[in-house]
Amino acid sequence: DIVMTQSPDSLAVSLGERATINCKSSRSVLNSSNNKNYLAWYQQKPGQPPKLLINWASTRESGVPDRFSASGSGADFALTISSLQAEDVAVYYCQQYYTTLQTFGQGTKVEVK
Amino acid sequence: QLQLQESGPGLVKPSETLSLTCTVSGGSISSGDYYWGWIRQPPGKGLEWIGSIYYSGSTYYNPSLKSRVTISVDTSKNHFSLRLTSRTAADTAVYYCARFHVARGFDYWGQGTLVTVSS
Repeated sequence: DIVMTQSPDSLAVSLGERATINCKSSRSVLNSSNNKNYLAWYQQKPGQPPKLLINWASTRESGVPDRFSASGSGADFALTISSLQAEDVAVYYCQQYYTTLQTFGQGTKVEVK
Repeated sequence: QLQLQESGPGLVKPSETLSLTCTVSGGSISSGDYYWGWIRQPPGKGLEWIGSIYYSGSTYYNPSLKSRVTISVDTSKNHFSLRLTSRTAADTAVYYCARFHVARGFDYWGQGTLVTVSS
């Protein structure tokens, strides 16, 4: 299994400030044949299902605000919220879909300081 | 707009089989571009992929649950189902159904249904 480890487990940021979440996989999720990283980011607000924010490690889904950006390749990835808004309070998960056994990170809770 | 809706009992005894159905509306489950999956989330915890199915019936399961899980699809009813046997309290969770695209991840989710395993 590919183990996904996120850091930190929780993060408190002032409104308007930057928040960065890291995600490390136990092995590379980069497909060398197409140079794509099979890594997604999700946002889950209380009482709601997860919402897909980012696919291919850095491609924003339609409608996702551009304050959300993501980067990384191979086994190290990051999600950044450039200017935290109140509506961004949520738990964020990374997920690898490189292998049939898809796995999620443990989640990072983002709160307002 | 695609919608997924889970249905099934909210309380099951350890001796009973947990059975859930996900009904898809606003799109066809027979679309060749997608798989259809089940993910669960114990209260206050993270997400665990249970398994996925293609409209043809090909299935993929989490090895940690494979011996207890069956996922099936009924294209005529545009729904797919989950059966989980030998339940324990550890199976208490919100169960989500979702659509999976190999290039994007899980892009549409149901609202989830809480299943409690208790005698």
